[in-house]
Amino acid sequence: DAMVIQNPRYQVTQFGKPVTLSCSQTLNHNVMYWYQQKSSQAPKLLFHYYDKDFNNEADTPDNFQSRRPNTSFCFLDIRSPGLGDAAMYLCATSLNQAYNEQFFGPGTRLTVL
Amino acid sequence: GENVEQHPSTLSVQEGDSAVIKCTYSDSASNYFPWYKQELGKRPQLIIDIRSNVGEKKDQRIAVTLNKTAKHFSLHITETQPEDSAVYFCAGYSGGGADGLTFGKGTHLIIQP
Repeated sequence: DAMVIQNPRYQVTQFGKPVTLSCSQTLNHNVMYWYQQKSSQAPKLLFHYYDKDFNNEADTPDNFQSRRPNTSFCFLDIRSPGLGDAAMYLCATSLNQAYNEQFFGPGTRLTVL
Repeated sequence: GENVEQHPSTLSVQEGDSAVIKCTYSDSASNYFPWYKQELGKRPQLIIDIRSNVGEKKDQRIAVTLNKTAKHFSLHITETQPEDSAVYFCAGYSGGGADGLTFGKGTHLIIQP
């Protein structure tokens, strides 16, 4: 089945230690998104790629970076995780833009010690 | 940018009764309004969506209404069942500089047996 896959499902890192989360998709969608969802809160868009074009939300901290080496893969890099970065990170895809349905991956739960 | 307000934050109904969740949006240019259901520890899943050229859409027990003049839209669930218990998020998309969705803060729907 075509799907959005995230690895790892659970990630534990230490304060200040860089971490990379990965997302892959078999839907061949043009757009890939990264959302941060803290406990009991709504998903918050961090950034997205329309094909190779990177779009950063104005309030996304510089600590968060992203890479999309090809259509199928997208990575979220957190350069120096702080305690406040502990959250569920959701990857999503859509065919062209948000006017179409967004398909979410299962998420990566990040714990910062 | 878009701002989406969602009410109530928690809704408890008796099994078999109807549930209504309401959202308002700020950007009159918004043209797409999806509703997502998120069960505990799982990914958000699209349950219904509506575009700005339609006033109402129904899918079995679920319906969404849109009032563009008042800038609000609502989710209606009839004949509620225990499996409807989840957090529901409304979202808006205005197609501005970013192509991501702006989510409401979510409604925790509890179906009482």
